[in-house]
Amino acid sequence: GEEVAQTPKHLVRGEGQKAKLYCAPIKGHSYVFWYQQVLKNEFKFLISFQNENVFDETGMPKERFSAKCLPNSPCSLEIQATKLEDSAVYFCASKGAEAFFGQGTRLTVV
Amino acid sequence: DAKTTQPPSMDCAEGRAANLPCNHSTISGNEYVYWYRQIHSQGPQYIIHGLKNNETNEMASLIITEDRKSSTLILPHATLRDTAVYYCIVRVAGSNFGNEKLTFGTGTRLTIIP
Repeated sequence: GEEVAQTPKHLVRGEGQKAKLYCAPIKGHSYVFWYQQVLKNEFKFLISFQNENVFDETGMPKERFSAKCLPNSPCSLEIQATKLEDSAVYFCASKGAEAFFGQGTRLTVV
Repeated sequence: DAKTTQPPSMDCAEGRAANLPCNHSTISGNEYVYWYRQIHSQGPQYIIHGLKNNETNEMASLIITEDRKSSTLILPHATLRDTAVYYCIVRVAGSNFGNEKLTFGTGTRLTIIP
């Protein structure tokens, strides 16, 4: 498709529960990025992939966060044992010539 | 990636040109200037990028100073739909750097006044 599709749009989890977010990149794009936006303006880079290989995971809180991009499947970002501070909008971007962002998943941890 | 400095907010009258400045005094020779915007809480939207020449596309123009230490994004005829947070980002680019992440600052909140 011609847009980055993120699901679900909204996700509510109780503290300690697992959260799983999905991202279908634009067909033909080799690169996928995940960003976390906690406050309205602040983006934090989490992880990037080149095809199914992790390229840069310097932003990932490794204890609870994991991500995958497997062939013929949407990419996924999983948070085990969510904390209140994980409440944020999570954006996925895929990149061909330029990076195109999805509309985000708003995760609320209560 | 080089750090950028932008004013936190600006207003512009509808129909006028909106000029958004960005300082990037530590930019390296192989770093491009990119502009993205985020309308309300949507995903960031690519606007334009350039290396040293001025650039124009259907959305905006980008003016980069000769010393490349600053740039201006110009929206020639601002509409209410241009109200957004605008991010100026510098990063290396090119086919060997396809996987370079974008480092967002705090951006400029542009409000278009009817």
